[in-house]
Amino acid sequence: DAKTTQPPSMDCAEGRAANLPCNHSTISGNEYVYWYRQIHSQGPQYIIHGLKNNETNEMASLIITEDRKSSTLILPHATLRDTAVYYCIVRVLNAGNNRKLIWGLGTSLAVNP
Amino acid sequence: NAGVTQTPKFQVLKTGQSMTLQCAQDMNHEYMSWYRQDPGMGLRLIHYSVGAGITDQGEVPNGYNVSRSTTEDFPLRLLSAAPSQTSVYFCASSYSSSRPSDTQYFGPGTRLTVL
Repeated sequence: DAKTTQPPSMDCAEGRAANLPCNHSTISGNEYVYWYRQIHSQGPQYIIHGLKNNETNEMASLIITEDRKSSTLILPHATLRDTAVYYCIVRVLNAGNNRKLIWGLGTSLAVNP
Repeated sequence: NAGVTQTPKFQVLKTGQSMTLQCAQDMNHEYMSWYRQDPGMGLRLIHYSVGAGITDQGEVPNGYNVSRSTTEDFPLRLLSAAPSQTSVYFCASSYSSSRPSDTQYFGPGTRLTVL
């Protein structure tokens, strides 16, 4: 089962910051948080990941709370092309130390003109 | 560099037919995986491979077979298609499976309908 909780949908005005929350209250100390997005019916696209510290790249910023039980993905200046389903995922390691990503239902973000 | 490619893009099968969904990557990635995506559900892992000759089951492996004879290719075989296998199938790859920075690259998907 998915280990993250996200709101099913959000709206954002074009040009404004989009803040997408994610709850991962059962995350363990060595699990990373990943964000992907899926535009329409395309394959998911990687956005960003983090462990403890806040992270920023050319696409977005990731803010992780000090207790690591939740995080927020920030798209600083949302455009219409950012309309997509955003997935917050925690990394799960199986017995062989191989990664399996457990996907939830994500947040459907609509950026409005 | 084509990334991850999948063929076919669309397929319609009759119940009981078999077929192979093709997946290839040209990035020399060790880790490859297959997911299915159904309406109202997140992506679910079917099978994965950490290198040529090594495969393992994911969450929903029943009804599917995989093999990994080369680094580049990771085909998914449906042995006897059932309507419950109607779904969108995504193949993904990453450099390895053990480092946090090993993010996955996804193919465009295959939309399969089983009648």
